[in-house]
Amino acid sequence: NAGVTQTPKFRILKIGQSMTLQCAQDMNHNYMYWYRQDPGMGLKLIYYSVGAGITDKGEVPNGYNVSRSTTEDFPLRLELAAPSQTSVYFCASSPQGAWTGELFFGEGSRLTVL
Amino acid sequence: AQSVTQLDSQVPVFEEAPVELRCNYSSSVSVYLFWYVQYPNQGLQLLLKYLSGSTLVESINGFEAEFNKSQTSFHLRKPSVHISDTAEYFCAVSEYGNKLVFGAGTILRVKS
Repeated sequence: NAGVTQTPKFRILKIGQSMTLQCAQDMNHNYMYWYRQDPGMGLKLIYYSVGAGITDKGEVPNGYNVSRSTTEDFPLRLELAAPSQTSVYFCASSPQGAWTGELFFGEGSRLTVL
Repeated sequence: AQSVTQLDSQVPVFEEAPVELRCNYSSSVSVYLFWYVQYPNQGLQLLLKYLSGSTLVESINGFEAEFNKSQTSFHLRKPSVHISDTAEYFCAVSEYGNKLVFGAGTILRVKS
């Protein structure tokens, strides 16, 4: 009954450091997404994937990278962390694509860059 | 490109009172509309959706939303709120494709 699992839940980074946010789903969904949530701004799409080996940019991809080597995993890498990347990051998966609205979200990863 | 405007950032309301959370969208084509709810320290959960058919859609916990094409709105309503409805509510829109566009969110605060 795991659904979408994100790790870590909290992380503090120094400016210029790099890290990877992990996301795994056990529902065999082809579609996976990374969003960031900032207060009063809603959710912005960073990257998405329609299947293993296929990724594409969303609205705010700068400073991030993704890979999708398996159906289950969709890690998000932050290179050279900046204070502007302080945010809550949500991973989501979908059986048929975001246009159906059937997104299943993880509990989020809260990142602070100091 | 589609966009979503949630007209209120916060809505305070007393328990058992009715509430309406407003959502307007813009798009040049037919759209699909959704409301998501986010309880504190959790991810978003789908509350209800409009894809086609009846313009009035309902959730299992008493919320309803009505699609109004002429006013490009999809307002969320509940006739009597509970303390447990305190959460942030997001309106979202998609055209056919792989992207879902979210509004900025409305925080519903239910007071006893």
